[in-house]
Amino acid sequence: EVQLVESGGGLVQPGASLRLSCAASGFTIEYYWMYWVRQAPGEGLVWVSRLNGDGSNIAYADSVKGRFSISRDNANNMVYLQMNSLRVEDTAVYYCARELGGAMHYWGQGTLVTVSS
Amino acid sequence: QSALTQPPSASGSPGQSVTISCTGTSSDVGAYNYVSWYQQHPGKEPKLIIYEVSKRPSGVPDRFSGSKSDNTASLTVSGLQAEDEADYYCCSYTTSATFVFGTGTKVTVL
Repeated sequence: EVQLVESGGGLVQPGASLRLSCAASGFTIEYYWMYWVRQAPGEGLVWVSRLNGDGSNIAYADSVKGRFSISRDNANNMVYLQMNSLRVEDTAVYYCARELGGAMHYWGQGTLVTVSS
Repeated sequence: QSALTQPPSASGSPGQSVTISCTGTSSDVGAYNYVSWYQQHPGKEPKLIIYEVSKRPSGVPDRFSGSKSDNTASLTVSGLQAEDEADYYCCSYTTSATFVFGTGTKVTVL
């Protein structure tokens, strides 16, 4: 069974850093593109980032480019999102997802990041 | 990248059909056949129901169908059921090698 479990969220002050983790099981992440998507409270879905199987092809939304960094550890079947210089507007539930045909197929349950002073 | 435009709400009675539009540009929806649709119930993670414009992942009922014409994609839910009441989002790959979601549509089963 495919499972994705996010962790690492929490309450931080503006300007702080946080690293989110996504633990994958039931499949080998090496063979899939992986994504991060976020959703602010009461708002819609926003694509954040994705990377390919060997981590050589990475893309970011303009709103996080230069502040966020996506990476993967294929040996441990983990995907990460390093978030620096956090802003109040980064407050959201962050989801990890696995690709199917240019779409986000399997999703985790999400981890809440709250940026507030 | 601006969000794709969806109607805020749509509704239908049980057994009826509802169609949701998703309007983008020639840089996203109109550029590729990488349009997907997601269903999200309150407090839950999104669920993929359509990918590559019209394909359904395993386990998704054939009541859900997708199409695209120029810069507008559409999702049709036929034979509406109570459990179809949810938020629906479209998403498209873009010419900038990024993705953009739609604004979301709340579907109500009357």
